[in-house]
Amino acid sequence: QKEVEQNSGPLSVPEGAIASLNCTYSDRVSQSFFWYRQYSGKSPELIMSIYSNGDKEDGRFTAQLNKASQYVSLLIRDSQPSDSATYLCAVKAAGNKLTFGGGTRVLVKP
Amino acid sequence: EAGVAQSPRYKIIEKRQSVAFWCNPISGHATLYWYQQILGQGPKLLIQFQNNGVVDDSQLPKDRFSAERLKGVDSTLKIQPAKLEDSAVYLCASSLAGQVYNEQFFGPGTRLTVL
Repeated sequence: QKEVEQNSGPLSVPEGAIASLNCTYSDRVSQSFFWYRQYSGKSPELIMSIYSNGDKEDGRFTAQLNKASQYVSLLIRDSQPSDSATYLCAVKAAGNKLTFGGGTRVLVKP
Repeated sequence: EAGVAQSPRYKIIEKRQSVAFWCNPISGHATLYWYQQILGQGPKLLIQFQNNGVVDDSQLPKDRFSAERLKGVDSTLKIQPAKLEDSAVYLCASSLAGQVYNEQFFGPGTRLTVL
């Protein structure tokens, strides 16, 4: 079982719709969770971090964390073509090692 | 504020040759990370430094990879000899310190092609 799992996609979303990305992790003691956006040929860019159960909103992005279910998600509201990218979920457990999922490719169609 | 700097941006070498990558972290960031990202996969941590000491190198192939961070600032990652499977993007990242809640910021990466 992979430590951090994501659906590889592509997740195809019409412009203006909500994109919903999911991530599950295996280490129960994980303490902090991050979403990175990576455009093709570029390096990962941090867009959200979340540390406690519940929702965290930042502009059009909402991260949701459920530690009991070992599940973290990212919602992108009013999706734009510029949101087309690969979204990486990253989880940090004790020892501070950041483990990445394989990423979900998102395509926003005009 | 300047971001993480890396060089070179691209490198093409023959197998069995050696190569070195350089990283300069964000000013004041004590923790520096090297990741390997193979096409279609997420980044994989190779080594983590706290100042100039190694915190985690459990996934570094030590028979061919080496890294150092002299004076706790810049870092160099070396591969010798390179194999075809080393073709990947090598990412450097930094954070304020290696605590759980500290966010990591990535440099532009070095794309390595081994022929």
